[in-house]
Amino acid sequence: TQLLEQSPQFLSIQEGENLTVYCNSSSVFSSLQWYRQEPGEGPVLLVTVVTGGEVKKLKRLTFQFGDARKDSSLHITAAQPGDTGLYLCAGAYAGNMLTFGGGTRLMVKP
Amino acid sequence: EAGVTQFPSHSVIEKGQTVTLRCDPISGHDNLYWYRRVMGKEIKFLLHFVKESKQDESGMPNNRFLAERTGGTYSTLKVQPAELEDSGVYFCASSLRAGGPYNEQFFGPGTRLTVL
Repeated sequence: TQLLEQSPQFLSIQEGENLTVYCNSSSVFSSLQWYRQEPGEGPVLLVTVVTGGEVKKLKRLTFQFGDARKDSSLHITAAQPGDTGLYLCAGAYAGNMLTFGGGTRLMVKP
Repeated sequence: EAGVTQFPSHSVIEKGQTVTLRCDPISGHDNLYWYRRVMGKEIKFLLHFVKESKQDESGMPNNRFLAERTGGTYSTLKVQPAELEDSGVYFCASSLRAGGPYNEQFFGPGTRLTVL
């Protein structure tokens, strides 16, 4: 059984601060997807990373895939209250199923 | 383009009753997935359809759960009889591609199931 450990579970910061969320596994991913989920809604896809060492940017969000494709990080620069939500990483291994991390609940206070 | 839709959004039933959840994938997506999150746990895979065929049902918890996708369009997930531990949020997702690294899955809003 593949496990995906996500940290931290909870993060409460002030507007303007930077933060990093980590996603780690002992297994190699074929790809990794980051999602954001709002209350009462389903996960919304933010980005997919595929290549080891890949870095993708989405405005103030920077996603990095580890060289060995076993870990990933999400860095938010100058967090805004609108960034508040649940961030999920999900890895695809051999098949099509996604294995999800436990999520990071982010609260950005104005 | 319409996203993945699910019905109902909420369902409250008593233990022993039957519930059927429905998912309509994004038009043109042959791949359809069911996932669920039970209280305090991470989202877990249940099964994967390619058109009307079950590609992978390794995540189905037991034979009280029956998923169908007749005609390869919408899918239903029936729980019969429901047990307390079946409570949770059931998500449906669809993707255009299957296999390979670019298997980007798009999720519906989920059905919150409460079994009393």
